[in-house]
Amino acid sequence: DAGVTQTPRHEVAEKGQTIILKCEPVSGHNDLFWYRQTKIQGLELLSYFRSKSLMEDGGAFKDRFKAEMLNSSFSTLKIQPTEPKDSAVYLCASSPDWGASYEQYFGPGTRLTVL
Amino acid sequence: GDSVTQTEGLVTLTKGLPVMLNCTYQTTYSPFLFWYVQHLNEAPKLLLKSSTDNKRTEHQGFYATLHKSSSSFHLQKSSVQLSDSALYFCALSGTSGGNYKPTFGKGTSLVVHP
Repeated sequence: DAGVTQTPRHEVAEKGQTIILKCEPVSGHNDLFWYRQTKIQGLELLSYFRSKSLMEDGGAFKDRFKAEMLNSSFSTLKIQPTEPKDSAVYLCASSPDWGASYEQYFGPGTRLTVL
Repeated sequence: GDSVTQTEGLVTLTKGLPVMLNCTYQTTYSPFLFWYVQHLNEAPKLLLKSSTDNKRTEHQGFYATLHKSSSSFHLQKSSVQLSDSALYFCALSGTSGGNYKPTFGKGTSLVVHP
C-alpha cells in the first residue's frame, strides 16, 4: 500500500503569498492530521479531521491557516498570507481510526521557506 | 490543556551505553502515551505506545513503562547503537470524552558516537 503522500516536498514563497500544501492519506484511513514542525517548538497540531469532519482547527493557527478535507483521499493546507515565521516543515499524518487504533502514519513533509 | 515535557535538547552518548529519555505529561483525561522516532530527513514513526498503568512495553530494544501516579513515560534502552541517533518525540492523547487530540513534546535529539 502507498503511504502518506505530500506535495510539494519543498516550497519557497515570498512574504504575503498564498501557498497550498497537499496531502493524500493512506487509502482507507479515516483520520487526518496536519502538523507544523520546527526545531524550537517541535510538532504542533494544526488541524485534525475525523471522517472528513474538522475536529481541531489549531487554535492559535486559525487566522492564516486553513485545512480542508475535500474528499476522503485528499486534503489541503492553505497558508494565507505567508510570513517568514511560517518557515517550517509541514507534516501530514493519517490514521485508520485514531481513537481505537492509536496508529498514526506520517508523510515525508513539505519544507516551506518564506522569504 | 494537555501538555508533554521531554528531556531538553540534545543527549550525546557513546555506543553501548544505556539511555533514558524523560517524558512527563499533564492531562485531565485517561492518557494514551507514545514515543515516535524521526531519523534525519525521514518522517516520524511510531516506536512505542501504551495506555496501561505500570506495564512495560518494548519494541526494537527500546522500552517504556507508563506510570500514571507520576505522569511519566520515560524511554529507555540498555545499549544504544549508532543507528539510534535520531530525534525522539513523546506524545499524549486522551482516550475518552472525545479528547483524542494528540499533543507532542518538543523532541529530544539523541546522538550516539562510536
